[in-house]
Order: sequence, then structure tokens, then C-alpha cells
Amino acid sequence: DVKVTQSSRYLVKRTGEKVFLECVQDMDHENMFWYRQDPGLGLRLIYFSYDVKMKEKGDIPEGYSVSREKKERFSLILESASTNQTSMYLCASSFKLGAHNEQFFGPGTRLTVL
Amino acid sequence: TQLLEQSPQFLSIQEGENLTVYCNSSSVFSSLQWYRQEPGEGPVLLVTVVTGGEVKKLKRLTFQFGDARKDSSLHITAAQPGDTGLYLCAGYSGGSNYKLTFGKGTLLTVNP
Repeated sequence: DVKVTQSSRYLVKRTGEKVFLECVQDMDHENMFWYRQDPGLGLRLIYFSYDVKMKEKGDIPEGYSVSREKKERFSLILESASTNQTSMYLCASSFKLGAHNEQFFGPGTRLTVL
Repeated sequence: TQLLEQSPQFLSIQEGENLTVYCNSSSVFSSLQWYRQEPGEGPVLLVTVVTGGEVKKLKRLTFQFGDARKDSSLHITAAQPGDTGLYLCAGYSGGSNYKLTFGKGTLLTVNP
């Protein structure tokens, strides 16, 4: 059974802290994505990666960075957490050569920044 | 910028009723996907429609892709409480663009 796992389901951090969110997939997918999901705003793409060490900005990259050192792992980093980064964070993966970029999602990390 | 508009935003119905959710855009998509997201979980892919006019059935769920590949609908027959969740449509433009364009979703509640 295909699987995308995220390091934490719930996380509480303080303003100014550096936050790491980890995502691991076991499907040998080339593409990996980080989204945030907020009520009324839907899913918004933060960053994506189409290969190891490759990354591209999504629609809302400000305040975030990413790292992809291994194919199966994609990390999202909040350099200095702020309260407006309180959100549900979703990681997803897909095949590079998949016909329609169908994405497989992790269970999400609900991050609260105090 | 491509946009996908979903309607209605919220839907609360009784068990056994039928419903239709719509996903509309002014842009043409190579394909369109439907996901369901249960509370506290990530979205799960239900179906991908590819050909204009295509109809796909998944038990009590019927998905249709518009002839012009700009819109789609999801029809649920005899809804059950287990159908409760957020239904998201997502359009794929194709080629080397790896992004999906997501609608904001329809939150469906089916009451017993």
C-alpha cells in the first residue's frame, strides 16, 4: 500500500522558532509537494521538487524553505515561525512521468504558532 | 492564472438524498481529478477524468467531465454518513507543469 508519512500530526511552536516539517514517501515518486490548507483559502502550493536537490517555488513561498537531499524525503522549513503560519500543512508526491500528476497526500501536520 | 470554482461551498443533507457538486473554470484542462478529504486527514484521490464528455462511476458516485474540458461534476446517489467530507476538484494542465490547480472544496455533511 502506497504511503506518504509526515513527522508530526500536531505541533505547537513559539514565534521566532525554526520549525522543520518532514515528509517521507515510499513510492519512489520523483515529484514532491508542500501545501498549506486554510479555511476559505483552500490548498495553496508552497514549494515543490521534481528531483533530488531540485526545488521550485509555488504560489506562497515567502517565509519558507525546503530541502530534498534524498528522493524519498522532502522537508519544509519555517526559518522564523510567525503566527500567520499557523495552518494545516500537507505533503504530497506523484510520479514524474505520471500521465495526470495524480497526487498522494500525507495525513497532514496541524501547526500552531503562539 | 487558472482558477477552479466549486459550488456549493457547503452542503448539509439527510441520509438517502441525492446531490451534485460542481467544478467550473474558464480554462481548459488536460484532465481533472476529484479528491475526498476526511476531517484531520489528507485528501485521497477518488477519480481522474481525461476525455471531454467522459463519465466515470465509482459505486454511488458519478463523475462527469465537460465536453470542453473546462468543468466537471460529482453526483452522489443515496448519500450516506460515510460520504461526509471535503470534496476537492483539481485540474492538471499537462506537459512539464507539475502543478495542480485546486478548487476550494465543497464541505458535505450527511446527517443520519
